[in-house]
Amino acid sequence: QKEVEQNSGPLSVPEGAIASLNCTYSDRGSQSFFWYRQYSGKSPELIMFIYSNGDKEDGRFTAQLNKASQYVSLLIRDSQPSDSATYLCAVNSLYNFNKFYFGSGTKLNVKP
Amino acid sequence: DAGVIQSPRHEVTEMGQEVTLRCKPISGHDYLFWYRQTMMRGLELLIYFNNNVPIDDSGMPEDRFSAKMPNASFSTLKIQPSEPRDSAVYFCASSPLSGTSGGETQYFGPGTRLLVL
Repeated sequence: QKEVEQNSGPLSVPEGAIASLNCTYSDRGSQSFFWYRQYSGKSPELIMFIYSNGDKEDGRFTAQLNKASQYVSLLIRDSQPSDSATYLCAVNSLYNFNKFYFGSGTKLNVKP
Repeated sequence: DAGVIQSPRHEVTEMGQEVTLRCKPISGHDYLFWYRQTMMRGLELLIYFNNNVPIDDSGMPEDRFSAKMPNASFSTLKIQPSEPRDSAVYFCASSPLSGTSGGETQYFGPGTRLLVL
């Protein structure tokens, strides 16, 4: 079982819609959860992180964390074509909190 | 801030040759990470350093891979001898010291695209 699981997609949404990206993780003791965006041919860049159960909002992005169910999600409101990218979920290790496990990523396509 | 700097950006070499990838972390960051990304395996952590000391090298695939961090502003990842299956994008990332048990954001460099023929 992989430490972090994501649906590879592609997830296609029309411009202006809400995109919902999901991630599950296996290490119940993980404390930190990160969402990175990676454009084709580029490096991962941080979108946001979340440490506590519940929702965290940053502009059009909302991260949701449910530690009991071991899932974290990212909502993108008013999706734009420029949001088209691969979104990587990262979770830190219980025993080595600086060590991150990355999911394989979900490819998002926002259609104009 | 210039961000994480990696060189070269692209490398094409022949099987059996030595390859050296270089990284300059963000100034003041205590942690440096080396990752490899392929379509098949995604983003994998190879090794990471804290204050120039290797902490976890469990991701290093085999003895052909080695990494060093002689000082706080420079690290190398060396592959000797290189093989076609080493073809991938290699990323270096750095992060500041974490004030909590949660780990800190890792900032990625632009990556080195390695092709071994």
